[in-house]
Amino acid sequence: DAMVIQNPRYQVTQFGKPVTLSCSQTLNHNVMYWYQQKSSQAPKLLFHYYDKDFNNEADTPDNFQSRRPNTSFCFLDIRSPGLGDAAMYLCATSRADAESDTQYFGPGTRLTVL
Amino acid sequence: AQSVTQLDSHVSVSEGTPVLLRCNYSSSYSPSLFWYVQHPNKGLQLLLKYTSAATLVKGINGFEAEFKKSETSFHLTKPSAHMSDAAEYFCVVRGNKLTFGTGTQLKVEL
Repeated sequence: DAMVIQNPRYQVTQFGKPVTLSCSQTLNHNVMYWYQQKSSQAPKLLFHYYDKDFNNEADTPDNFQSRRPNTSFCFLDIRSPGLGDAAMYLCATSRADAESDTQYFGPGTRLTVL
Repeated sequence: AQSVTQLDSHVSVSEGTPVLLRCNYSSSYSPSLFWYVQHPNKGLQLLLKYTSAATLVKGINGFEAEFKKSETSFHLTKPSAHMSDAAEYFCVVRGNKLTFGTGTQLKVEL
C-alpha cells in the first residue's frame, strides 16, 4: 500500500563521507521533490524533477545533488556531509506541477552526521 | 509572493474538547491551501486541501477547515480531540512551490 517509500529510514554517516538517500514511488507521478527539514523547522525545498527536467532551488548548496534514473526512483546525494546537514530528508511526489496538485510525502530519512 | 502565518506555535487541549489551529494566508489570487500533519519522526500526511471549490473542506480523522476569503484565513478544526492527534500541523500555500507555515505543535492531555 505504500506510495512514497524512502530508504533507509535512519542513516548515520561521518563528516565528509558521501551518502546517498533513496526515494521510490508507486504513484507514477511526474514530479519528485526533495526537502530538508531541520529540527523544529518547516521543510525546505532543495530541488525537484519534472520528468527528467531538474530544477534546483537557488539557495541549495552545491554539496547536494540528485539523480532520477527513471519515473519511479529519485536519489539525493550529499557529496561531503557537514554537521549542519544533519536533518530529516523528505521525498514527495505530485502528478504535475500545477497549484492544485497535491504533494504526497514519504516517511523521511533521518540523517545523522558524526 | 504567497505566505502563510500560523498564529500559534503550541496549542494544548484536553482529550474530547475541540481543536482550533489558526492559519492566515497572503496571496494575490485565490490560492490552493493545504493542512499537513507530522507525527514524531514521520513524514507529512495530507489532512485536507482547498482548491477553490467548497469553502468548507472535510479531511481525514474528523478534521475540517474553512476558507474565509474576507478574513484571509484557513483555520483547522476538530470537534473532539483524541490522544492520537498530538503532532505537528503545517498550514501550506501552493504557488510555484509549497510555502509552509512555521508549524503548530498540538498537545492533547488526558
